[in-house]
Amino acid sequence: GENVGLHLPTLSVQEGDNSIINCAYSNSASDYFIWYKQESGKGPQFIIDIRSNMDKRQGQRVTVLLNKTVKHLSLQIAATQPGDSAVYFCAGARLQAGGTSYGKLTFGQGTILTVHP
Amino acid sequence: EAQVTQNPRYLITVTGKKLTVTCSQNMNHEYMSWYRQDPGLGLRQIYYSMNVEVTDKGDVPEGYKVSRKEKRNFPLILESPSPNQTSLYFCASSFGPVRGTARSYEQYFGPGTRLTVT
Repeated sequence: GENVGLHLPTLSVQEGDNSIINCAYSNSASDYFIWYKQESGKGPQFIIDIRSNMDKRQGQRVTVLLNKTVKHLSLQIAATQPGDSAVYFCAGARLQAGGTSYGKLTFGQGTILTVHP
Repeated sequence: EAQVTQNPRYLITVTGKKLTVTCSQNMNHEYMSWYRQDPGLGLRQIYYSMNVEVTDKGDVPEGYKVSRKEKRNFPLILESPSPNQTSLYFCASSFGPVRGTARSYEQYFGPGTRLTVT
């Protein structure tokens, strides 16, 4: 099955710095990737997604980069703020019908981002 | 207000005593899913449902059952709970891949149910 994992479990940055959170995946059947943010005591919250036919997607202060050659994706947060402190998860899924992965969503272990004022 | 509700939020029970955790969404989503979250293991999918009467196993389905008789509800059933099912459980919903659109997996998560099995 899909294996989506993270390189680093924790990341500490200063307020105003840019943050980069990495994620690796092993199953090429995933054609869609999502980043979620989970604040303490809450359920995960969708941040941004990217299809496998894209290399980059930008949102508000966030950018997701996908490198299919090395099966790696990253989440970049610009001008990180204390409110960005949370656990960030990447997840892989399949949009195209067919195959055993269709409908499944596999999460990575998560990276704890701490932003220091 | 668009939301996913779960009940109960906290539950302490004993081994073998059947329990049900309810999940309901008011967004007319086709896709619903259950996850468990354990320290160091992240979120793992238990079961998911693409639509009414359609359910499939996730990565960790053993010891759990689900049903999807109505679009809005997706209860999680533990027929005979064991201590290794002590965990934080999340229900989530989205439009899912059947619509084939971006943000198909823009899932809305419930507040979580913390289950302890002694």
